Amino acid sequence: DVKVTQSSRYLVKRTGEKVFLECVQDMDHENMFWYRQDPGLGLRLIYFSYDVKMKEKGDIPEGYSVSREKKERFSLILESASTNQTSMYLCASSPRAEKLFFGSGTQLSVL
Amino acid sequence: DAKTTQPPSMDCAEGRAANLPCNHSTISGNEYVYWYRQIHSQGPQYIIHGLKNNETNEMASLIITEDRKSSTLILPHATLRDTAVYYCIVRAQTANTGNQFYFGTGTSLTVIP
Repeated sequence: DVKVTQSSRYLVKRTGEKVFLECVQDMDHENMFWYRQDPGLGLRLIYFSYDVKMKEKGDIPEGYSVSREKKERFSLILESASTNQTSMYLCASSPRAEKLFFGSGTQLSVL
Repeated sequence: DAKTTQPPSMDCAEGRAANLPCNHSTISGNEYVYWYRQIHSQGPQYIIHGLKNNETNEMASLIITEDRKSSTLILPHATLRDTAVYYCIVRAQTANTGNQFYFGTGTSLTVIP
């Protein structure tokens, strides 16, 4: 089975901290994605990557950056965390042009 | 922008069929219909997808109307474990980059004992 692993299930950070959310997939997928999920808003795409060192903005990239130095790893970076970035963050991967496989999510609280 | 419309919530009796509708009136000829579900506190899970023919797998059946403007996901014998949010998504299946999935707010299905 495909496995998408997110490094933390729960994370608590302070306003202004730099935050790294890590995601690793073990199936050599080309595409990787970061979503955030908020009540009443569904899943919204932050960034995605279709190859190593490649990245594209999604619908809500402001306040975030990403890094993909290796094919299996896609990192989401909050340069200076703010309270409005408190959310559930979901990582996903997919082979080219095929279905998504999600991780279990990271619930981030910014205090 | 979301391309699909789903009811926000539905109930279904345990053991009965759950029929979840989805409207996608602006679907293009090369766009597939995908269904995912999300059980509380987990990431979304793929269920099924199709282009124009009806599809069935071990989890569900997908019925797509002839004009492809709507579809129905059928869980034939709903169990309490099927309580989840169900997302209907349309997406072109091409090899182009940027093939992102757009999730709306889905349908919250509650299976009642």
